[in-house]
Amino acid sequence: QVQLQQSGPGLVKPSQTLSLTCAISGDSVSSNRATWNWIRQSPARGLEWLGRTYYRSKWYNDYAESVKSRITIDPDTSKNQFSLHLTSVTPEDTAVYYCARVRNWGAFDYWGQGTLVTVSS
Amino acid sequence: DIQMTQSPSSLSASVGDRVTITCLASQDISNHLNWYQHKPGKAPELLIYDASNLETGVPSRFSGSGSGTDFTFIISSLQPEDIATYYCQQYDNLPLTFGGGTKVEI
Repeated sequence: QVQLQQSGPGLVKPSQTLSLTCAISGDSVSSNRATWNWIRQSPARGLEWLGRTYYRSKWYNDYAESVKSRITIDPDTSKNQFSLHLTSVTPEDTAVYYCARVRNWGAFDYWGQGTLVTVSS
Repeated sequence: DIQMTQSPSSLSASVGDRVTITCLASQDISNHLNWYQHKPGKAPELLIYDASNLETGVPSRFSGSGSGTDFTFIISSLQPEDIATYYCQQYDNLPLTFGGGTKVEI
């Protein structure tokens, strides 16, 4: 059974960097049959896919255009986890953030528990 | 980006009722469409993948159909535990995009 456990702060100051980590059990971040994603949900933007990392002989990343200049998603094979870093945050980045696995390019089949991140001074 | 338009945005039905939700894609996405159930305070749960396949462990009262641009999600007999918001999601093209959601109430 795959489990995704999120960790990270729930409060970030404007202009700072939002960082969250998703620890994987029951699968490998280096799996060649999965991608590892970050998604957020806010009243204004609904469910918004932010980006993904995946391994297919080498590491790849894809990011949403809306955050492309500010986002990095990093795999950590030694800890079997992946992280989200979103720089220069504003109150508009306030949302519940989820990590999720996609199997075989298809559906988000496993999700983290969600982390409410509030951007406020 | 592929826009996913769900309707209705909310509905109220009685226990035992048949509930139908539609999802319209802004371009042809073949069967690259998934449906999720989202309850407050919990992570979304995958119900239907590839437009019509029931995820393991999901009750058979849930079903999906469609291809191309028009998709339908059905709850054949609404149960109290089905109160949630339902989302469609396409994976035909990046960015992966979701519909706006349908809130189902009793």
